Amino acid sequence: EVQLVESGGGLVKPGGSLRLSCAASGFTFSSYSMNWVRQAPGKGLEWVSSISSSSSYIYYADSVKGRFTISRDNAKNSLYLQMNSLRAEDTAVYYCARDSQADDFPQLGFDYWGQGTLVTVSS
Amino acid sequence: DIQMTQSPSSVSASVGDRVTITCRASQGISSWLAWYQQKPGKAPKLLIYAASSLQSGVPSRFSGSGSGTDFTLTISSLQPEDFATYYCQQANSFPHTFGQGTKLEIK
Repeated sequence: EVQLVESGGGLVKPGGSLRLSCAASGFTFSSYSMNWVRQAPGKGLEWVSSISSSSSYIYYADSVKGRFTISRDNAKNSLYLQMNSLRAEDTAVYYCARDSQADDFPQLGFDYWGQGTLVTVSS
Repeated sequence: DIQMTQSPSSVSASVGDRVTITCRASQGISSWLAWYQQKPGKAPKLLIYAASSLQSGVPSRFSGSGSGTDFTLTISSLQPEDFATYYCQQANSFPHTFGQGTKLEIK
């Protein structure tokens, strides 16, 4: 069974940092590109970042570029999101999500999602 | 960046109704469009990919169509479990933007 489990969320002050993790199981993690998507309270979905299976290609939303860093460790079946210089507008539930085919960016949507981890940026 | 605009933002319907939700891209995205369903407090669920392909396990009352800039999600006969928020997402180019969502409510 495919599982994605996020962790690392919490309350942080503006300007602070946080590192999110996503533990993957039930599939060959190293064969799939992966993604982070966030959702502010009561708002819609926002794509945040994507990383290819071997970390060769990485993309970010303009809203987080230069502040967030996506990475992965295929040996540990884990995806990460390092978030620096956090702002109030980064407050959201952060989901990790898998691309729906074992390829890099197959353009077919995200078929498995974690349960999400809440990040709250407030003084 | 490609902007995705959904309409309507909300819709009220009854069990058994046919409902159509529209998604428009600010530029052509071929058929690289996905649709998701999200219920409160839950992660999104992939319904349709490549504009018209039904994700495994999704009931056949859900269907998608369109290409280029205009796309539709149709639910042929609403069931109680279908009341949720629906999002489109373009996968043609990065950033993989989502529409703002359409909330489907019970009339």
